[in-house]
Amino acid sequence: DTAVSQTPKYLVTQMGNDKSIKCEQNLGHDTMYWYKQDSKKFLKIMFSYNNKELIINETVPNRFSPKSPDKAHLNLHINSLELGDSAVYFCASSLTGLQGETQYFGPGTRLLVL
Amino acid sequence: SQQGEEDPQALSIQEGENATMNCSYKTSINNLQWYRQNSGRGLVHLILIRSNEREKHSGRLRVTLDTSKKSSSLLITASRAADTASYFCAPDGGTSYGKLTFGQGTILTVHP
Repeated sequence: DTAVSQTPKYLVTQMGNDKSIKCEQNLGHDTMYWYKQDSKKFLKIMFSYNNKELIINETVPNRFSPKSPDKAHLNLHINSLELGDSAVYFCASSLTGLQGETQYFGPGTRLLVL
Repeated sequence: SQQGEEDPQALSIQEGENATMNCSYKTSINNLQWYRQNSGRGLVHLILIRSNEREKHSGRLRVTLDTSKKSSSLLITASRAADTASYFCAPDGGTSYGKLTFGQGTILTVHP
């Protein structure tokens, strides 16, 4: 069984559109994360939720809005997509979210904005 | 949290050789993690070393930590073609709630 899953795997869309990426974890973890990996492979954290509450909110345009309906799900909605949003988006989870915990990553969603 | 910087950016070796990757960071840490990313996949946790540890082993992996130099190294012994991947370090310090910031990684290519 996949521990952290994301849908869709690939997303190709036009500038200005709104899109959502979904993430689910079946590990029973309390904390989930969204990361963005750019074309140079830098992986940067965007958001983190602990038990449906936002605990990390990096400097991310407010076009990006995470939503956590329950602690097993963390979705990412992006409004008015721009060319620079093209990247691979990874969801991850960890047990409690404290320092020093292993983070378990999903397979990534490859977003291409045309 | 702070970003680790991996060095070299790319490493190419033959199967059976050892591969050493280095990581430097700027401020004091509580622990440091290493992750692997196979092409087109998510990151996979390899090993965590705490600030009071100097060396840690896991199978063919050996991680060292020198807090005085603010650096860590990952050694993969007897490399295999399946070790071909990008390797990232993530120093974890301060009071950031589980926040990890990765560098650009080291791309390791192991030729059969």
